[in-house]
Amino acid sequence: EAQVTQNPRYLITVTGKKLTVTCSQNMNHEYMSWYRQDPGLGLRQIYYSMNVEVTDKGDVPEGYKVSRKEKRNFPLILESPSPNQTSLYFCASSLRAVLSYNEQFFGPGTRLTVL
Amino acid sequence: GNSVTQMEGPVTLSEEAFLTINCTYTATGYPSLFWYVQYPGEGLQLLLKATKADDKGSNKGFEATYRKETTSFHLEKGSVQVSDSAVYFCALSDPVQGAQKLVFGQGTRLTINP
Repeated sequence: EAQVTQNPRYLITVTGKKLTVTCSQNMNHEYMSWYRQDPGLGLRQIYYSMNVEVTDKGDVPEGYKVSRKEKRNFPLILESPSPNQTSLYFCASSLRAVLSYNEQFFGPGTRLTVL
Repeated sequence: GNSVTQMEGPVTLSEEAFLTINCTYTATGYPSLFWYVQYPGEGLQLLLKATKADDKGSNKGFEATYRKETTSFHLEKGSVQVSDSAVYFCALSDPVQGAQKLVFGQGTRLTINP
């Protein structure tokens, strides 16, 4: 089944404890992206990747890191989480990076709480 | 910069009512427009899209027409069902920006009562 998977689905952690949220897609997609969803703000892009070893900042990159060593994986790293990073996070992928009309496929989401 | 504005929710309707969720946008180029739907506890999934002016996207009884003159992409459905209860997001992707970046509206929560 074609899908985007994220792990973990739920995570409660404490301020300053490094964490990684994994994202994997099995559709051989070029483009991958991370968004955070907050009430009243919709989804905002954190980082995106056009292909392996090519990543760039989105609208809200502060406090996050990413890497794209393999085409299928795009982990999101919080080196020192803070309470303002409490949010619902979505990974998404798309077949081609530069076609604006392509559909993006979303993972099920990771709900992160930082105490 | 690019932006999307949706009507504020929540919206509550009775089954079989007519639905309109307004969406307007601001973009520098000629964007593609999308409606995504998020059912409870799930990720977003594409509902419909339109890639140029006057295109109409449709799926599952929902429709939206790309209106360049009014910079709008309103979502409509003639007769809603309880199963349509979800959060709906309007979004655009602007090719001028190069990469395929989606800009989302704030989302509209729709509840349909039996």
